[in-house]
This record gives sequence, structure tokens and C-alpha cells, in this order.
Amino acid sequence: QLQLQESGPGLVKPSETLSLTCTVSGGSISSTVYYWGWLRQPPGKGLEWIGTVYYSGGTYYNPSLKSRVSISVDTSKSQFSLKLSSVTAADTAVYYCARHSAGTVLAYFDPWGQGTLVTVSS
Amino acid sequence: EIVMTQSPATLSVSPGERATLSCRASQSVGSNLAWYQQKPGQAPRLLIYGASTRATGIPARFSGSGSGTEFTLTISSLQSEDFAVYYCQHYINWITFGQGTRLEIK
Repeated sequence: QLQLQESGPGLVKPSETLSLTCTVSGGSISSTVYYWGWLRQPPGKGLEWIGTVYYSGGTYYNPSLKSRVSISVDTSKSQFSLKLSSVTAADTAVYYCARHSAGTVLAYFDPWGQGTLVTVSS
Repeated sequence: EIVMTQSPATLSVSPGERATLSCRASQSVGSNLAWYQQKPGQAPRLLIYGASTRATGIPARFSGSGSGTEFTLTISSLQSEDFAVYYCQHYINWITFGQGTRLEIK
């Protein structure tokens, strides 16, 4: 079945750029049906949608993070990536990648990756 | 931005009893609402979408209802594995989540 796996540094310094990659297996990232998203969850807090990419490269971002976020896709590697610039301690969170389970960015998420904790600290 | 408010923050229920969790939207989201279950150290798991459709493999004891601004997730007879945090999410214009309801053993 479809599986997603996040990877990237677990520690990022303040003011630097957080970079994560999600590898998709068991299905095609190039499907015209699905969109691919990034979400995050600060320790002990709730969930926040960061942004989404389509296989063609089209992107959609949470307005509250838009100025600092860039999401891209590499279909040849079956991966999509997140970059978040100018990070602060408030960006410390578990970062998840997930598939939008409908043919639109306005959809629910299923399945999810297991998540990766990124800590922002000097 | 549509604000999703879940209540209560914590719900204490005995195994075998019914649990009712609420989610309110600050403006109508139609039926564009999903529910997730999250256990410690795990990613969220989709339970319900379209306000009332169970996701694949979700037991029938989980049911969702509501439309517009008021939604309910009901777990008819709590099993030990159901004690977790539950989130609602709308997807009518962009995407936001509620703050969660922690379902704990009474």
C-alpha cells in the first residue's frame, strides 16, 4: 500500500532554512488524482497545514506561512520537498507529509508519514 | 480563516460506554469535515470524511454526523484502543484543524 517517509535534519539553527523530503512508495506521485501535503505539530499542540504540491509543480500554501515556505516535487525520485526559511524556536515541531485523498487540494489527508521531529536551536 | 473549536478539551469515559465529541466551525463548511485519531508518538489516522463517511478499515462503532457549523463524532462502545486524541479538520477553503479532544479512561 502507499507509504510516505519523511527525511531530513533533526536540528536546525535559528534564522536558517529547514529542509525536509518526503519519499512516496507503493504508488505513483505522478497520479493526476492526488495532491501531496506537508503539515506540522508543535510538541503537545495541534495540527497545522503548511502547504501542498501537485505532481505538475503547482503549489498551495497556508497564508500564515506563505512568505517563508517553498514546496517542490521531483517525480523522477518519487519525492516532494519542503523548505521553510528564517526559522525560529516556534517552528520546532513534528513535520508530517501526507496525501490529499481526493482530486483536489481541498481535501482530507490519508495516508500520513510517520513524522519527523525538527528542533530549532543554536 | 475558519476557526474550528472542539469540545470538551478532555473527555473521561469508561470502556464500553458511548463517547460524543463535538466540533464547531466559525462559519459553514458544509459537509467538508474530517475526523482523525492520534495516539502518542503516532501520526494521525483518518476516521471520517465528508462529515459522516467512514474511512477504509474504520470500525462501525465510529460515526460522524452534522453539517454546516456543528459536527459530532460518536464512538458507540469504547474499546481500550480508542483512548487517544481526536481532531476535526475542515477543507472547504484552505485547511484548518481543531485543537483536539483528549479521550481518556474514566
